[in-house]
Amino acid sequence: AQSVAQPEDQVNVAEGNPLTVKCTYSVSGNPYLFWYVQYPNRGLQFLLKYITGDNLVKGSYGFEAEFNKSQTSFHLKKPSALVSDSALYFCAVRDGDNTGKLIFGQGTTLQVKP
Amino acid sequence: GAGVSQSPSNKVTEKGKDVELRCDPISGHTALYWYRQSLGQGLEFLIYFQGNSAPDKSGLPSDRFSAERTGGSVSTLTIQRTQQEDSAVYLCASSLPASGPSYNEQFFGPGTRLTVL
Repeated sequence: AQSVAQPEDQVNVAEGNPLTVKCTYSVSGNPYLFWYVQYPNRGLQFLLKYITGDNLVKGSYGFEAEFNKSQTSFHLKKPSALVSDSALYFCAVRDGDNTGKLIFGQGTTLQVKP
Repeated sequence: GAGVSQSPSNKVTEKGKDVELRCDPISGHTALYWYRQSLGQGLEFLIYFQGNSAPDKSGLPSDRFSAERTGGSVSTLTIQRTQQEDSAVYLCASSLPASGPSYNEQFFGPGTRLTVL
């Protein structure tokens, strides 16, 4: 079965510093990987996805993620954090090649302090 | 354009009552999903509709939960004989066709917060 793990419940970063939110995955077959963000009192928003191609994927709001097959990781990164990036971040994996079903991680709260 | 909408935004009910939650997907999206987000937990998949195919109900936690999608558009999630452990935020999402290699990302609604007293 496909799964993702987000090992950190919370990540704290100072504004202007680089940020990393970690995600590792376990899949049989091709990995389809996603990051979503949930701002307070709002629905989930799509940030970026990896299906195939370049290992470095660029997404919305200046975020990017690096697909690493050998380490089975898909960490979310941003070179310079903003206070407005503070939110709940979810990593997800598609549950097989012929379904739209996503399996989500437990989420990581990102706190960016001024 | 309009996004995914859900109603009601909040629902408070008494244990044992039935509730219906509604989802209006983005026009033209053939795939529709329901997830549940409980406090302190991630998103839990419930059910997935893709066009005219049989829905994937593998995530429904018990036979008290059911969902239907009428006319390939609006969907209703029904919870019968609600229990306190059903309290959660229920999220609906929709997407363009989601089978095969051309995977299309899901767009989420704002959710319905269900509280069972």
